Amino acid sequence: EVHLVESGGGLVQPGGSLSLSCAASGFTFSDHPMHWVRQAPGKGLEYVSAISSDGGNIYYANSVKGRFTISRDNSKNTLYLQMGSLRAEDMAVYYCARSWRHAYDHWGQGTLVTVSS
Amino acid sequence: QSALTQPPSASGSPGQSVTISCTGTSSDIGGYNYVSWYQQHPGKAPKLMIHEVNKRPSGVPDRFSGSKSGNTASLTVSGLQAEDEADYYCNSYAGTNNLRVFGGGTKLTVL
Repeated sequence: EVHLVESGGGLVQPGGSLSLSCAASGFTFSDHPMHWVRQAPGKGLEYVSAISSDGGNIYYANSVKGRFTISRDNSKNTLYLQMGSLRAEDMAVYYCARSWRHAYDHWGQGTLVTVSS
Repeated sequence: QSALTQPPSASGSPGQSVTISCTGTSSDIGGYNYVSWYQQHPGKAPKLMIHEVNKRPSGVPDRFSGSKSGNTASLTVSGLQAEDEADYYCNSYAGTNNLRVFGGGTKLTVL
């Protein structure tokens, strides 16, 4: 059974940094592109970033480009998101999601990032 | 990236059918057959309901169907049941620059 478990969320001040992780199990992690998707409180889903199965291709939404860094360690079956220069509008539940046929077929439970002074 | 346009709400009585639209552009929905739909209950992670416009993953009831015409995709839920009450989001591949774009979400109420 596929499992995605995010961790690393918490309270951070505006301008601060935070690092998220997503531990994957139950499938061959290195076979799948992985994405981060976020959801601000009471709002809709927003694509954040994506990384190809081998890590060679990386993509970002314009809203986070230059501030966030996605990476993966296929030997540890783990996806990462390093977030910097955090703003109030970055406050959200962050989900990692497995990409399959240009859709997200499995999601983690999410980790909450709160940006506040 | 501009979000896809969905109606904020939709409703129907048990047993009825309801269709939710999702409008994009030729750069996303109109340009690729990679539209997907997600169901999200309060406090839960989204669940994939439709991929590649009209394909259902295993385990998704055949009451859920998808279609596309031009720049607009649609999700139809037939034979509405109480458990279908949830938020629904569309998503489309948008090319290598923008990659993915979501709709704003539609809250489906079963009356």
